[in-house]
Amino acid sequence: GAGVSQSPRYKVAKRGQDVALRCDPISGHVSLFWYQQALGQGPEFLTYFQNEAQLDKSGLPSDRFFAERPEGSVSTLKIQRTQQEDSAVYLCASSQYGTGSADTQYFGPGTRLTVL
Amino acid sequence: AQSVTQPDIHITVSEGASLELRCNYSYGATPYLFWYVQSPGQGLQLLLKYFSGDTLVQGIKGFEAEFKRSQSSFNLRKPSVHWSDAAEYFCAVGAGDTGRRALTFGSGTRLQVQP
Repeated sequence: GAGVSQSPRYKVAKRGQDVALRCDPISGHVSLFWYQQALGQGPEFLTYFQNEAQLDKSGLPSDRFFAERPEGSVSTLKIQRTQQEDSAVYLCASSQYGTGSADTQYFGPGTRLTVL
Repeated sequence: AQSVTQPDIHITVSEGASLELRCNYSYGATPYLFWYVQSPGQGLQLLLKYFSGDTLVQGIKGFEAEFKRSQSSFNLRKPSVHWSDAAEYFCAVGAGDTGRRALTFGSGTRLQVQP
C-alpha cells in the first residue's frame, strides 16, 4: 500500500478484556516497530521485528503484551487482560531495511485504545 | 542510555513569524537525530534527519535544524510560520549504526499559530 495502515483506528475495551491491534506495513519493508504514546507524551518503544524475527522486546511493559509478525509482513500487538493504564495510542512504524536507526521509520495513524 | 528533552511544552507564534523549537539530547556517541511532526489524528511524519556531515540540515515544508555537538542540541527552525504548521513536534534520537534500532522521543512541543 501507499503507507502504513493500522486497524482498528479506535478501540474501547472493558478492563480485563483482551485486544488485538493490527499493523500493515509498507510492502517490502523489513523492519517493523511498535510504539506506545500516552496522552501528552512522546512515543515510547515497545518492540521491534526484522522480518518475522522479534529482535527487541525490551519495551513491552508486562507479560500481558505480546506481538507477532509470523510471515514477516502484517503484525499484531495483543494485550491481554487490559488495564486502565494501557489506554494510549499504539503506533506502528516500518522501515525499508534491517539496518540501524538511520533507516527512516514511516508511521501509521495509530490505534487509540481506551480501557474503561 | 539515550534521552531527549524538549523544554517547551507549548509555543504560540503569529503567522509569518519565525520559529525555533528546542531539543537537547543525551547520548554517549554521535547520535542520529530526527524531527517528526504529528497533526491531530495523524501518524508522525519525518521533517528532517541528521546523521553526519553538514550540521545544518534542510527538511520538508521549509524547516531546517542545526546540530550543535557542544550544546547537545538539535533545534528546529522555520523563518516564516504558516497556519498549517500548527501541530505537535517531536525530536528523536537514534543509537547510530549499531545497537538499538528504536528511536527515543522527547515529550513534544505543541505549536499554535495565531492569525
